[in-house]
Amino acid sequence: GAVVSQHPSRVICKSGTSVKIECRSLDFQATTMFWYRQFPKKSLMLMATSNEGSKATYEQGVEKDKFLINHASLTLSTLTVTSAHPEDSSFYICSARKVGYEQYFGPGTRLTVT
Amino acid sequence: QKEVEQNSGPLSVPEGAIASLNCTYSDRVSQSFFWYRQYSGKSPELIMSIYSNGDKEDGRFTAQLNKASQYVSLLIRDSQPSDSATYLCAVSGMDSNYQLIWGAGTKLIIKP
Repeated sequence: GAVVSQHPSRVICKSGTSVKIECRSLDFQATTMFWYRQFPKKSLMLMATSNEGSKATYEQGVEKDKFLINHASLTLSTLTVTSAHPEDSSFYICSARKVGYEQYFGPGTRLTVT
Repeated sequence: QKEVEQNSGPLSVPEGAIASLNCTYSDRVSQSFFWYRQYSGKSPELIMSIYSNGDKEDGRFTAQLNKASQYVSLLIRDSQPSDSATYLCAVSGMDSNYQLIWGAGTKLIIKP
């Protein structure tokens, strides 16, 4: 199997606070994990790529100081949205890659910043 | 710039018919091709991967790859209302992380 979990599934926070989202590969070791965001009725947008034990690679236009990514082990990556604002409200989805090419997605985290 | 193109739809297909979804890609050195299904409000789910020219069948799904034409397709036989979703085509390049290049997706509607 290839199961990826994400926690929390839904979070509401106040503007200015920080939110941490966890992504775990439950039954395999993930060589690489990816973080995406998706606005309603829009395409997936890759935010960053992370490999265990090294710094994440951010896509152009994604602020690394605002979206902190830590990939501490082969089964866990975290995304922290710092000083969240209403425009950060979105659907955040992680995926994990097994050895090979296929990516498996977590169920996503819906973030609402009030 | 590497691109993956899909018709956004919606593609409307009667229940029981064959749904045909198409995708073209720009990078000739692409090696791996994927179809994901995404229901509204949910995350994408991998349904097919294909790596070599020809057809690959899995249940009601058939993926077709033609590298010379830079074209990949997904056929869904005996379409069911539960197949109604957005289908995303993704292509992997040769970078070290096998990052996927995504199409914008085709919305498929199966009409009972």
